[in-house]
Amino acid sequence: EVQLVESGGGLVQPGGSLRLSCAASGFTFSRYWMSWVRQAPGKGLEWVANIKQDGSEKIYVDSVKGRFTISRDNAKNSLYLQINSLRAEDTAVYFCAKIDGDPTSNWYFDLWGRGTLVTVSS
Amino acid sequence: VIWMTQSPSLVSASTGDRVTISCRMGQDISTYLAWYQQKPGKAPELLIYGASTLQSGVPSRFSGSGSGTDFTLTISGPQSEDFATYYCQQYYSFPWTFGQGTKVEIK
Repeated sequence: EVQLVESGGGLVQPGGSLRLSCAASGFTFSRYWMSWVRQAPGKGLEWVANIKQDGSEKIYVDSVKGRFTISRDNAKNSLYLQINSLRAEDTAVYFCAKIDGDPTSNWYFDLWGRGTLVTVSS
Repeated sequence: VIWMTQSPSLVSASTGDRVTISCRMGQDISTYLAWYQQKPGKAPELLIYGASTLQSGVPSRFSGSGSGTDFTLTISGPQSEDFATYYCQQYYSFPWTFGQGTKVEIK
């Protein structure tokens, strides 16, 4: 079955850290750009970061630069998001998403996980 | 950052109505736009990419149109399973951005 399954969310104090994981199955993980997208409670979607197939290129939204690090392990079919210096405004469901297409034309999220909730609160 | 305005934020419709959702961009993005459907507590699902290309498996009652700065998602005769929230998303340039969302509810 083609799927993405996130884990690692939880309750963390402001300034704390978490490492989110995303396990991919049912497709050749190493062939695709991957992404993290988040959604604050009751709010819309916000793109967070992308990573190239071999991990050589990473792109972030400005609000997380220097605090979040996206990475992947193609041997384990896994995507990660290390989130540091957490703030209350980082509270959200974090979705892992597969990107289809390529940067020279159309590329879009064609598969999403169910998400993992990160709550930042003291 | 490319600003985008999605409207309306809420639309009430009956099964069989025609529903249109608009997404207006602050600059020309050609056809680098996708539409997603999200149901409560679920992950979003891709409906349309390239402004008008239907994703495999998506019912033909969904259609997308537009280019440049003005885009539309149309649901021709929504079924009960179509009552959800819809988002547009531009992937013309970083940061990728989403519209504010349109909730389609049963009238």
